[in-house]
Amino acid sequence: NAGVMQNPRHLVRRRGQEARLRCSPMKGHSHVYWYRQLPEEGLKFMVYLQKENIIDESGMPKERFSAEFPKEGPSILRIQQVVRGDSAAYFCASSPSQGTYEQYFGPGTRLTVT
Amino acid sequence: AQTVTQSQPEMSVQEAETVTLSCTYDTSESDYYLFWYKQPPSRQMILVIRQEAYKQQNATENRFSVNFQKAAKSFSLKISDSQLGDAAMYFCAYLVSNFGNEKLTFGTGTRLTIIP
Repeated sequence: NAGVMQNPRHLVRRRGQEARLRCSPMKGHSHVYWYRQLPEEGLKFMVYLQKENIIDESGMPKERFSAEFPKEGPSILRIQQVVRGDSAAYFCASSPSQGTYEQYFGPGTRLTVT
Repeated sequence: AQTVTQSQPEMSVQEAETVTLSCTYDTSESDYYLFWYKQPPSRQMILVIRQEAYKQQNATENRFSVNFQKAAKSFSLKISDSQLGDAAMYFCAYLVSNFGNEKLTFGTGTRLTIIP
């Protein structure tokens, strides 16, 4: 049973470009969470999605950031017009359902904005 | 708002010895979950151990055990017989069990070094 997959593992973007980060949850998991880890810091919650629904986006910056989890295909975290402060590791986690209280993490995508 | 505090940015321990990592949290909830995650140099987040707040018994997983003091809001991790592969960042995390709100709140981490 493959774990949570994230791609790309490393992404370099110039200021003003768009970044698209993909997350495929574990088989049978329908809940996806995105977290951001700035250098030398802990992970910070961004958004919690179920298939075709955003459940909690309280950690998402109000502008430039969006997330989706379509009925088919991976979850996408999209950052428009990236700035240097967006440079971080972005982690995706999945769980099978509400109430399981365990999240399985992917290997992360390291975004570098030049 | 819930907060998680790890007051030890770095710790080191001799191989085969025991080390304890500290974590305190602040919450007004009565029902929640606590976790320790390990992040080795590969950056993969690995779940080490979890504790349900309603359980009085401390969780154990092989060489890893916790000391959960609910009244003091303390959740320390003890690693026995430390091994070189235990070297990593360790993050304490909290999750409140309200349906529709299952986000993890992480501490800032403790970097553990194992001395051969």
